[in-house]
Formats: sequence, C-alpha cells, structure tokens
Amino acid sequence: QKEVEQNSGPLSVPEGAIASLNCTYSDRVSQSFFWYRQYSGKSPELIMSIYSNGDKEDGRFTAQLNKASQYVSLLIRDSQPSDSATYLCAVFTNTGNQFYFGTGTSLTVIP
Amino acid sequence: DAGITQSPRHKVTETGTPVTLRCHQTENHRYMYWYRQDPGHGLRLIHYSYGVKDTDKGEVSDGYSVSRSKTEDFLLTLESATSSQTSVYFCATGASQETQYFGPGTRLLVL
Repeated sequence: QKEVEQNSGPLSVPEGAIASLNCTYSDRVSQSFFWYRQYSGKSPELIMSIYSNGDKEDGRFTAQLNKASQYVSLLIRDSQPSDSATYLCAVFTNTGNQFYFGTGTSLTVIP
Repeated sequence: DAGITQSPRHKVTETGTPVTLRCHQTENHRYMYWYRQDPGHGLRLIHYSYGVKDTDKGEVSDGYSVSRSKTEDFLLTLESATSSQTSVYFCATGASQETQYFGPGTRLLVL
C-alpha cells in the first residue's frame, strides 16, 4: 500500500469554479501535510502546509485536514487557467523522518 | 527557487559511466535531499543530509551515493549509470525537517 494516494485525474473544471483535490495517507503518526503545485517541466512549488485538524485558508486556496480519516484536501476557489498544473500531496512522518509524496493530480481549468 | 541551483540541467550519458549531479544552495539550510521523479511513481527520496557529512538513505538509494562536505553543496553520484536511472532528479533543501523547497531539476538520460 502506498504511503500517500491521490487520484491521478485528469480533473477538469471551468474557469471560476471550485477545484477539489483529495489525498489519503496510511501512516497514522504522520505529522505535517503539504500541497505542492508543479507546472509541466518545472519543479514542485510549495503552496500550502497544514499541521492540525480543520481548515487553513490562504487566498484562493483552502487546505483541509482530518487526521481521524487520514485525509487531506485542497480546495481552489475561483479557479483560473493559470491554476492548470499537477498538484502533489506530501506527508511528513516520523517513520524515517522523511517526506512521502503522492503521484499527483493533474488539474485543467477550462477558460 | 532562486536560492537552489542544480548542475547540469540536462545530461545524456552511456550505460556504465559514472555521473555526478550537483546541488548548490545559498539559503544556509541544514537539510538537503535528492529525489527522482518518474511517471507513475511520483517523487521518491534517494538520499538526504541533515548536516555536513551527515547523510542517510531514502527509499530508492540502491546505485546512488551522496556526499556533503560543506553546507551549500550536496552531490549525488551514480557510480555506474544504468538505463533504469533515466529520470528527472530534484534537489530540495529546508531549514527544518518539515520544510522543503525544490531546485529546478536535472534531466538525465542514460543510453
């Protein structure tokens, strides 16, 4: 079983809509959770981090964490074509003190 | 990130030859990481460093070695390159274990 699982997509949403990206993880002692955005041919860019249960908002982005369900999500409000990218979920865990990444969800925002 | 550079950015080599990739950072970050990114596998940790001369293995370390003789440089060496090591290699750095910022990546093709 993979440590971090994401739907690979592709996920398509119209411009202005809400995009919802989901991630589940297997290690219950996981401490910290991150969302990275990766444009084609570029390196991952950190966009959100979340450490405790609940919601965390930053501009158009909201990260949601539910440790009991081992679930973390990213909502992108008012989606823009520039949001079209692959979104990587990452989990930092005490097991090995390292990050585990999902394979990413490809998002396309249609103008 | 402007504070992290990787060299070379592209390399083509032949099976059996040694290859060294360099990661250089100006952020004075303690932690440095080498990942490879392959379709269907996402980002996978090869090796990491938690200080000068302090390194440890990640989940896909076979066939790779690393060295860190000073804070700003982290070298990844493929002692004898194989076609299975064709990949995109990313260096990442962080001031703490729970933060990571990625370099621009190196595309390696082993023929």
